[in-house]
Amino acid sequence: DIQMTQSPSSLYASVGDRVSISCRASQNISGYLNWYQQTPGKAPKLLIYSASTLQSGVPSRFSGSGSGTDFILTISSLQPEDFATYYCQQSYNTPYSFGQGTKLQIK
Amino acid sequence: QVQLQESGPGLVKPSQTLSLTCTVSGGSISSSDYYWNWIRQPPGKGLEWIGYIYYSGSTNSNPSLESRVTISIDTSKNQFSLKLSSVTAADTAVYYCAREGAVPAVPLDYWGQGTLVTVSS
Repeated sequence: DIQMTQSPSSLYASVGDRVSISCRASQNISGYLNWYQQTPGKAPKLLIYSASTLQSGVPSRFSGSGSGTDFILTISSLQPEDFATYYCQQSYNTPYSFGQGTKLQIK
Repeated sequence: QVQLQESGPGLVKPSQTLSLTCTVSGGSISSSDYYWNWIRQPPGKGLEWIGYIYYSGSTNSNPSLESRVTISIDTSKNQFSLKLSSVTAADTAVYYCAREGAVPAVPLDYWGQGTLVTVSS
């Protein structure tokens, strides 16, 4: 099975900040990496798929990069609604697996 | 707009079988373009993929749960279902159903709101 490891596990930032979250796969997953945002009590929301493709309707301040084993989610200018938990997920093969999550909190 | 809605008992006794149904509206579950997934999230913890079913009935499940998981589809009702047998407290979680694009490949793009299932006597 492929293990996904995110860093950091938690992150404090302010509105307007630029932040990055890392995700590392235990083996090469090419570009089959997806990012989700989850707010308390809600289902995860797809932000980015195939490492760098922005899902329809997602603001352009979100971007993704990487390939192989190392990936990054970047939020260029944090907005109040961006404070949430972010998960990466590999869809290279089954069983699909998620990172443990990164909780983005207000500083 | 596609919508998914989970339904089923919120409380299950240990050793019994958890049964959930996901009803899809705004789109056909019989489409060859999608896989229909189950994912769960224990309270305060991360996400775990349970498995998926294709319109044809073919399934793929997480080996960690495979011996206890049954996923089925009812195209006449536009629903798919999850059964998890021999449950323990470790199976307490919010259970989500979600759509995954097969052609083109797009991951879990539509999710149900989730339903909390508690395993307790």
